[in-house]
Amino acid sequence: EAGVAQSPRYKIIEKRQSVAFWCNPISGHATLYWYQQILGQGPKLLIQFQNNGVVDDSQLPKDRFSAERLKGVDSTLKIQPAKLEDSAVYLCASSLRGISYNEQFFGPGTRLTVL
Amino acid sequence: AQTVTQSQPEMSVQEAETVTLSCTYDTSENNYYLFWYKQPPSRQMILVIRQEAYKQQNATENRFSVNFQKAAKSFSLKISDSQLGDTAMYFCAFMKRPGNQFYFGTGTSLTVIP
Repeated sequence: EAGVAQSPRYKIIEKRQSVAFWCNPISGHATLYWYQQILGQGPKLLIQFQNNGVVDDSQLPKDRFSAERLKGVDSTLKIQPAKLEDSAVYLCASSLRGISYNEQFFGPGTRLTVL
Repeated sequence: AQTVTQSQPEMSVQEAETVTLSCTYDTSENNYYLFWYKQPPSRQMILVIRQEAYKQQNATENRFSVNFQKAAKSFSLKISDSQLGDTAMYFCAFMKRPGNQFYFGTGTSLTVIP
């Protein structure tokens, strides 16, 4: 079974530039999560999708961050414009709705450096 | 809001020994799950063990076991017979139901010493 795919793996941009990350979840997984993991901290949930609907985006800085999940499969996370404090690893995870424990499977992450 | 606290930023253990990682959480929910995730250096996060809040019996997965104290809102991870491959960041996580939102602690960096 293929895992969660993310691209790019690394990205370096200057502040005020825009950047987009892509995630392809495990086939059949209805739930998709985007996390921000700042160095030395635990993952912080940015947004959670159930199919193509948003379940929780309470911690998403909506003035600069946006995310979509068209057709309930792939997802993109965009930052526009980026700030220095956005430097972090952005993790995508997916889970299969209906399974009692709803285990999350994580992708390798995208490491963003904002200069 | 849910919070997860891991009070041990770093720990070390001799190979083959036993180590316990601490985690406490705060919630007013009754329906939730608890997890321990492992994040090896430069590698993906993987699930170590999970515990359903409604189960009194502590979960066990091979060398990994938990001590779940629901009233105290404590969820510690015990690693027995530590191996070099156990060196990683360990994150405690809380999942609220319904909705399945996850909340992670700040992690404990575990080093297994040969």
